[in-house]
Amino acid sequence: AQTVTQSQPEMSVQEAETVTLSCTYDTSESNYYLFWYKQPPSRQMILVIRQEAYKQQNATENRFSVNFQKAAKSFSLKISDSQLGDTAMYFCAFGQSYQLIWGAGTKLIIKP
Amino acid sequence: DAGVIQSPRHEVTEMGQEVTLRCKPISGHNSLFWYRQTMMRGLELLIYFNNNVPIDDSGMPEDRFSAKMPNASFSTLKIQPSEPRDSAVYFCAGWMGVPGNTIYFGEGSWLTVV
Repeated sequence: AQTVTQSQPEMSVQEAETVTLSCTYDTSESNYYLFWYKQPPSRQMILVIRQEAYKQQNATENRFSVNFQKAAKSFSLKISDSQLGDTAMYFCAFGQSYQLIWGAGTKLIIKP
Repeated sequence: DAGVIQSPRHEVTEMGQEVTLRCKPISGHNSLFWYRQTMMRGLELLIYFNNNVPIDDSGMPEDRFSAKMPNASFSTLKIQPSEPRDSAVYFCAGWMGVPGNTIYFGEGSWLTVV
């Protein structure tokens, strides 16, 4: 079965610090897509960053970057210069088509 | 672009009552999802439509749940009769139907069945 594990239920850091959220997954497929979604208190899920498994280069989006280790099936999210607005639940997900496998989420709290 | 619009945002209903959740997807998205989110089970895919046709409804919990998409700009998720264990946040989401593309979520409908 395909699974996603987010081993950190909750994390908190000071504003402006760097934080890394971990995600591991299990699949026998070779080509797939990986995602990090953010769910702030408003509840709406928003895409943070995506990675295509066949691309070796790690994706970056402004302060957000990933460390994708395909062999280890690891897909961590690094948030640099964290801001109060980054406080949210973060979900890791992967899939090949419409069906995404979702992790349980990591609650990230940015403290002023 | 108004994004995915869901209604109602909150609903409290009594057990046994019918509940209808509504969704207006983003124009141009040919695919639509209904998800359910609970603390216990996380985010679950209930049903997936492509070009208004239900493609995968394997996640629909039981016959009490039904979903329709009569046209490209409207979908409903109905629960009849509702039960307390149906209490959850229900998300509608749209997608361009291309693997790897962003899934755009609505703000969710928070359902409480008492």
